[in-house]
Amino acid sequence: NAGVTQTPKFQVLKTGQSMTLQCAQDMNHEYMSWYRQDPGMGLRLIHYSVGAGITDQGEVPNGYNVSRSTTEDFPLRLLSAAPSQTSVYFCASSLGLAGRVQYFGPGTRLTVL
Amino acid sequence: GQSLEQPSEVTAVEGAIVQINCTYQTSGFYGLSWYQQHDGGAPTFLSYNALDGLEETGRFSSFLSRSDSYGYLLLQELQMKDSASYFCAVRLMDSNYQLIWGAGTKLIIKP
Repeated sequence: NAGVTQTPKFQVLKTGQSMTLQCAQDMNHEYMSWYRQDPGMGLRLIHYSVGAGITDQGEVPNGYNVSRSTTEDFPLRLLSAAPSQTSVYFCASSLGLAGRVQYFGPGTRLTVL
Repeated sequence: GQSLEQPSEVTAVEGAIVQINCTYQTSGFYGLSWYQQHDGGAPTFLSYNALDGLEETGRFSSFLSRSDSYGYLLLQELQMKDSASYFCAVRLMDSNYQLIWGAGTKLIIKP
């Protein structure tokens, strides 16, 4: 099992550019989520999904879109990048909707100039 | 609003015992989780309390008291590799299973 994988590991964007952060898991987990973590801060939930075809907004959804066409994949799209979106982005998954363990990907470090 | 509060930083000596507290204001939740994150790394799961009481996993223990809206993580026989940030989190019952997180506690270990 590869667990939760994320690509790319690092990305630099210019203001206004769009891009998609990829996330995939091979554990057949129902629940997937995207977080951002700013320096010295905790995790803030962007979007999450309780299963294929179902997504919902978290705490800080503005400027981001998600889709969940398959159980395995949960991409995060930045529509028009802004410097305020400079952060580390983590994708996570868990087995079952109330799964006790969240498995995290290695993260994507995004810088928006 | 729903929130979890942790101390921002705790300092301890190698070989000692340290307790990291988490107090919360939430509606119903399934359980209290603890995660460890080293600088530059991803959070990794440490412990989970579904019920009140103490859960022990090696050098780490976690405690939950729902009546006191309080939990803690206890680390024993501290090692330098335990220097990391520690986060508490709860999965809400009435908000589509969302996880909400504390801001994290940075544990500094001195030799």
